[in-house]
Order: sequence, then structure tokens, then C-alpha cells
Amino acid sequence: KAGVTQTPRYLIKTRGQQVTLSCSPISGHRSVSWYQQTPGQGLQFLFEYFSETQRNKGNFPGRFSGRQFSNSRSEMNVSTLELGDSALYLCASSLVGRVSTDTQYFGPGTRLTVL
Amino acid sequence: AQSVTQLGSHVSVSEGALVLLRCNYSSSVPPYLFWYVQYPNQGLQLLLKYTSAATLVKGINGFEAEFKKSETSFHLTKPSAHMSDAAEYFCAVSVSGNQFYFGTGTSLTVIP
Repeated sequence: KAGVTQTPRYLIKTRGQQVTLSCSPISGHRSVSWYQQTPGQGLQFLFEYFSETQRNKGNFPGRFSGRQFSNSRSEMNVSTLELGDSALYLCASSLVGRVSTDTQYFGPGTRLTVL
Repeated sequence: AQSVTQLGSHVSVSEGALVLLRCNYSSSVPPYLFWYVQYPNQGLQLLLKYTSAATLVKGINGFEAEFKKSETSFHLTKPSAHMSDAAEYFCAVSVSGNQFYFGTGTSLTVIP
């Protein structure tokens, strides 16, 4: 079974631009979560989608948004990029997002550099 | 609010020595606790998780962790370090939904 895939793996943008990252979950998984990983802040939860609906949201500004499609694939968008948005963005999927029984599988991440 | 503290951002052990990575959590309700490992340029891989069953949890690659409610701790141990254990380790807590709170990570170096 294929793992979680994220595209692109590396991205370079300039301040003020916007970016869209894509995540394809493991087949059959309906919950997709996004995390931002930086050296200073560590791993921070962005949001979770389940059945095309945002179910949980972390403490990030509205510039960070996402969506999930009917095939469970998810995209994350960051508008008006800032230097501080440079990070590794990780996507994770699980069957239904039930913490007690599901296992969350992470993708390799998208490395975003903002110049 | 939930939070996780990992004591020691860098830990070095000799090959064959005991590995002990510390994790303390803060939670107002019984938590689910996790340890993940991250190798360079890769995502996170689940080592083990505590979900209110046995307090001693055994994971992959010989790792285990013990949930101690009185100490609010969930330290990760491995009796004998192997070179392949060198990686970044993250402790995480979740209390509801599918929202995880991660510690800042501990980088483990194994000295031959």
C-alpha cells in the first residue's frame, strides 16, 4: 500500500506570493492533518480535514487555509507569504482520525523556503 | 491546555548503552501519548502510543515507554542503543479529536 505522498517536495517562493501544497493520503484514509515544522517552534498543528470538512484548527492566521476533496486528497494554501513561513510542512493521514484506535501516518513533507 | 516538554534537545549515548529520552506532559484530562521518530528528510514514524491500557507500552525497534500519571511523564527507553537509532525523537499528546501537541524534539546521537 502506498504511503502518504506530498507534492512538491521542495518549493522556493518570495515574500507576498501564495503557495499551494498537496497531500495524497493512504488509500482508504479519510482524515488528513497538516503540521508546520520549524527549528524554533517545532511541530505545530495547522488543521485537520475529514470528509471534506475542517474538523479541527490550530492557532494560525487566516493566511493559512486548506481543503479536502471527495477522494480525500487535501491541499493547503498559504497566501501573502512571509519569511517566517519558511518551514517543513507535514501532512498526516489516518482512517477516521480517532486517536484511540487509529495510527497517524506522516508524509515526507514539503520544504518551503520564502525569500 | 495541553503541552509537552522534552528535557534535553540533544542526547548522546554510546552504542550498546541505555537510551533514555524524557517527556513530561500537561493535560487536564487523561491523555493519549505518543513517541515518534524522524530520520533526516523524512516524515515522522510512530514508535509507540499510550491509550489508557497498560502503562508500560512496547513499540517498534526495541523501544518502550512507561506512563506515570503521578509524575506526568512518558519517558522513552531502549536497553541497548544501535547506530541506526540516531534520529530526532518527538513526544506528543492528544486529548480529544485528532489534534496533536508535540514537544520540541530530542536529537539522539549514537557514538560508536
